[in-house]
Amino acid sequence: AQSVTQPDIHITVSEGASLELRCNYSYGATPYLFWYVQSPGQGLQLLLKYFSGDTLVQGIKGFEAEFKRSQSSFNLRKPSVHWSDAAEYFCAVVPPSGGSYIPTFGRGTSLIVHP
Amino acid sequence: DSGVTQTPKHLITATGQRVTLRCSPRSGDLSVYWYQQSLDQGLQFLIQYYNGEERAKGNILERFSAQQFPDLHSELNLSSLELGDSALYFCASSVGRGVNNSPLHFGNGTRLTVT
Repeated sequence: AQSVTQPDIHITVSEGASLELRCNYSYGATPYLFWYVQSPGQGLQLLLKYFSGDTLVQGIKGFEAEFKRSQSSFNLRKPSVHWSDAAEYFCAVVPPSGGSYIPTFGRGTSLIVHP
Repeated sequence: DSGVTQTPKHLITATGQRVTLRCSPRSGDLSVYWYQQSLDQGLQFLIQYYNGEERAKGNILERFSAQQFPDLHSELNLSSLELGDSALYFCASSVGRGVNNSPLHFGNGTRLTVT
């Protein structure tokens, strides 16, 4: 079945440390890939997206993500985490065909940042 | 600020009742999407409208209905409410209906509590 998985429910890092949030998908072909962030009491905000081309994608707020076809992954990274990065992070996929173009979201990873 | 406005922010009602959630999309966006976010189900797609017409349907219950009006605002109607309908309901909008018109711009949600 087609799906998107975020294996980590919670991630705790210290401020200044590096971060990697995992996202795996299961589709017949490479879907369109997105990362969103949800701060407390807010809606989701797009961090970055991958459609094709360069597999390393730069986003807002210093985030980047790397698409790895062989691993069906699209992991989100940040070299140095700030306390304000504490939030819920969602990976989303859009099937490459079918016409509906409706994003399916993973269950999310909650990022906790220690001072 | 995403430009997507949802009202009300909070709604508390009793089982069996009916409520209406309202969404004003970002200026210029023709597509409106409704999502339900709950702890056990995550972010679930409910329904999409494009320029007044229903475009895609997800896991929307028969007790729920939606519409998009000529001025492009949308309403989500939830009836015969059950305790399990308690959730955060998000509206999102995008320029078009294709993935190249992503990203989705999310409102801050309406938190529905059914008692």
